[in-house]
Amino acid sequence: DAKTTQPPSMDCAEGRAANLPCNHSTISGNEYVYWYRQIHSQGPQYIIHGLKNNETNEMASLIITEDRKSSTLILPHATLRDTAVYYCIVMKSSGDKLTFGTGTRLAVRP
Amino acid sequence: GAGVSQTPSNKVTEKGKYVELRCDPISGHTALYWYRQSLGQGPEFLIYFQGTGAADDSGLPNDRFFAVRPEGSVSTLKIQRTERGDSAVYLCASSLSRLNEKLFFGSGTQLSVL
Repeated sequence: DAKTTQPPSMDCAEGRAANLPCNHSTISGNEYVYWYRQIHSQGPQYIIHGLKNNETNEMASLIITEDRKSSTLILPHATLRDTAVYYCIVMKSSGDKLTFGTGTRLAVRP
Repeated sequence: GAGVSQTPSNKVTEKGKYVELRCDPISGHTALYWYRQSLGQGPEFLIYFQGTGAADDSGLPNDRFFAVRPEGSVSTLKIQRTERGDSAVYLCASSLSRLNEKLFFGSGTQLSVL
């Protein structure tokens, strides 16, 4: 019962923006969109989360559509170190647990 | 400061043996989680502790798996009578509280059951 759909793989050129899409058409009103990433041989790392407004931090920007059925994670200037699997997760803000899908494998090309 | 520490980083054991995997969370984090990750898959939830108590153990696959956190800090995941299908990376994460959505993960223990 996957709550999100992501492309299995993407690539982008170093220095360019990486735009990672996520569909979550069954999202509930009290569910947030979270993004984590996992670099090879490491544990997942929190990136950003949001409810309905766009969010930005030092790592990335999160754009959520007005109907909240999809979102895009933007890495504005991708580097080789951004090569990782990116997970889009939908869950309530508290008392819930992260449920990972298979994510999008992003390859940043030199 | 120190992140989440997991030991050992690699564990090789034989089918039928007992293993213990240790997790040292970030100091002051009251919530602790165990996940398991098979090759090519996302992490799969096993159990969640709030303080010393297991608040949600719905992800433990069977009664061969058990986890403890006796003093509300370090946690140990215990697997009895290991099977080859238990081979995976076991990940531990902690967060400031159960209300905090930002989990900090360790690098995991790679368990190989021969």
